[in-house]
Amino acid sequence: DAGITQSPRHKVTETGTPVTLRCHQTENHRYMYWYRQDPGHGLRLIHYSYGVKDTDKGEVSDGYSVSRSKTEDFLLTLESATSSQTSVYFCAALGDGNYGYTFGSGTRLTVV
Amino acid sequence: AQSVAQPEDQVNVAEGNPLTVKCTYSVSGNPYLFWYVQYPNRGLQFLLKYITGDNLVKGSYGFEAEFNKSQTSFHLKKPSALVSDSALYFCAVRDESPTSGTYKYIFGTGTRLKVLA
Repeated sequence: DAGITQSPRHKVTETGTPVTLRCHQTENHRYMYWYRQDPGHGLRLIHYSYGVKDTDKGEVSDGYSVSRSKTEDFLLTLESATSSQTSVYFCAALGDGNYGYTFGSGTRLTVV
Repeated sequence: AQSVAQPEDQVNVAEGNPLTVKCTYSVSGNPYLFWYVQYPNRGLQFLLKYITGDNLVKGSYGFEAEFNKSQTSFHLKKPSALVSDSALYFCAVRDESPTSGTYKYIFGTGTRLKVLA
């Protein structure tokens, strides 16, 4: 997990509140990704970024937004948290010419 | 769209026996395939990849995978399982957007490997 830091590691929040998760990388990778991991579903892509201010939706993007104002940081925002967004969120990064993701350690989010 | 399937939720194997974790894929064009492992309360770690070339790919921790184009499979294997291999294993395929040329990985649902002492 070296080079990818996620914060916070754990968070409990109330339904209807906005929540922002942060992913920070030190490798200057071009691509960054947010996935959620749920039992029976594996990892599902929420949003990804292919450069500063360049983002695109994944398969489960509803209720989420992202921002990437600089190469090293990729923020995921739950605009109004719902119980269905209780999950473990993983950030990943991919450099040009490198075919393997590097993952962060994950953020466990509980919406009550 | 590219996809991968892992047909087994869990695989149990005795320590010292060979193990196989199955993955099948559906892609247009040449597949870029990967295996990742997740230990409890950790992120995913890269094990190995197939891009082109030899159908038998060797990776970390003694794992290998066999690419079979006719069966559209990319099964993960190890000749002799260890208790410490017990973890969650994910197969993935790289998907390239035809419009933007950007990359993302599509993951399977995961297979839990349990190695029994």
